[in-house]
Amino acid sequence: DTGVSQNPRHKITKRGQNVTFRCDPISEHNRLYWYRQTLGQGPEFLTYFQNEAQLEKSRLLSDRFSAERPKGSFSTLEIQRTEQGDSAMYLCASSSRGGFGELFFGEGSRLTVL
Amino acid sequence: AQKVTQAQTEISVVEKEDVTLDCVYETRDTTYYLFWYKQPPSGELVFLIRRNSFDEQNEISGRYSWNFQKSTSSFNFTITASQVVDSAVYFCALSRNNDMRFGAGTRLTVKP
Repeated sequence: DTGVSQNPRHKITKRGQNVTFRCDPISEHNRLYWYRQTLGQGPEFLTYFQNEAQLEKSRLLSDRFSAERPKGSFSTLEIQRTEQGDSAMYLCASSSRGGFGELFFGEGSRLTVL
Repeated sequence: AQKVTQAQTEISVVEKEDVTLDCVYETRDTTYYLFWYKQPPSGELVFLIRRNSFDEQNEISGRYSWNFQKSTSSFNFTITASQVVDSAVYFCALSRNNDMRFGAGTRLTVKP
């Protein structure tokens, strides 16, 4: 499998619970991105890693959100104390090029907060 | 500030018609890249094209063509002889460094 893999594909949780999503990028890609997409909107940038270093974070990434990429391979995105407004598709993408390279996206993890 | 506007929310055409998806962008940077992505019902965004700000040559790839006009800050996408499989949401995006901004997307429905 050479694509970006995300799991779980769908998560339903109750408000206040914590959730974690995992992303496995294309193996030779050193850059990894997290985006959030809500219905009828384009993806919104959340954060970006180059290898294990988290180099950029959007203002959209509140204190309840944390992302890691401990060994420069897979990444996790954790949302603590989920709120209904967190319901969205969380997309992971990877790239091997510099900042202007095309991104290769996974199929996303859909979060529904009840 | 960077911004991408896709004014067409939804477009519906009949198979074999040509269709153009509009994209207008705003940026103060002189170096930037523009992209088009396709998001089929399965949800995975598929890269279609990348164009840098210094290359205004139009590009054709099969039934797809792209028209980049810096003077009007537009990067429009045309599908010739549309097919049902072209039905998807199409996103235009603008990237400077590691910040890729997407438009809201245009949902294209191609009816048989």
